Amino acid sequence: EVQLVQSGAEVKKPGESLKISCKGSGYSFIDYWIGWVRRTPGKGLEWMGIIYPADSDTKYSPSFEGQVTISADKSIATAYLQWNSLKASDTATYYCARHRLGLGIDYWGPGTLVTVSS
Amino acid sequence: DIQMTQSPSSVSASVGDRVTITCRASQGISSWLAWYQQKPGKAPKTLIFQASSLQSGVPSRFSGSGSGTEFTLTISSLQPEDFATYFCQQSDSLPYTFGQGTKLEIK
Repeated sequence: EVQLVQSGAEVKKPGESLKISCKGSGYSFIDYWIGWVRRTPGKGLEWMGIIYPADSDTKYSPSFEGQVTISADKSIATAYLQWNSLKASDTATYYCARHRLGLGIDYWGPGTLVTVSS
Repeated sequence: DIQMTQSPSSVSASVGDRVTITCRASQGISSWLAWYQQKPGKAPKTLIFQASSLQSGVPSRFSGSGSGTEFTLTISSLQPEDFATYFCQQSDSLPYTFGQGTKLEIK
């Protein structure tokens, strides 16, 4: 059974750094792109980017490039989403999602709520 | 970026009704379109991929159609568990953009 297990909710202050994680199991982690999707009440779902764990090839949405870093450690089947300096506007739920290029997302993680507030 | 526009933004319907949601792409995307369902506080769930292919385990009352720039998601007979928000997403070219969502509410 394919599973994506995400790290727990975070509460941070503006300017702080953060790295959240997503561990895949039940499939060959290196054979599928895995990415991140942001969910906010005002903007719905926003696609942030994807990474291919086999070679760390990464594609970002222009809206998020330079704002976050997507990485993966194939030795522990885990993908990451990282911020160097959080803003209040980063408050959202972040989902990791397994992608099949051209076919969209087939599996979703449960989500990680990130709250950024002074 | 390819813009995805869903209509309507919200719809009220009753159990047993047939409901259709439309998604339009700003340029042709062949059949590279997926549909997702999201309930409050839950992760999205994949319903349809490649415009009309049903994801494993999804009830057959859900169906998708279309190609090019216009697509539809149809629920043939609404069940109580279908009241949720539905999103389309194109996977033709990066970034893989979503529609703004359609909220399906109980009448």
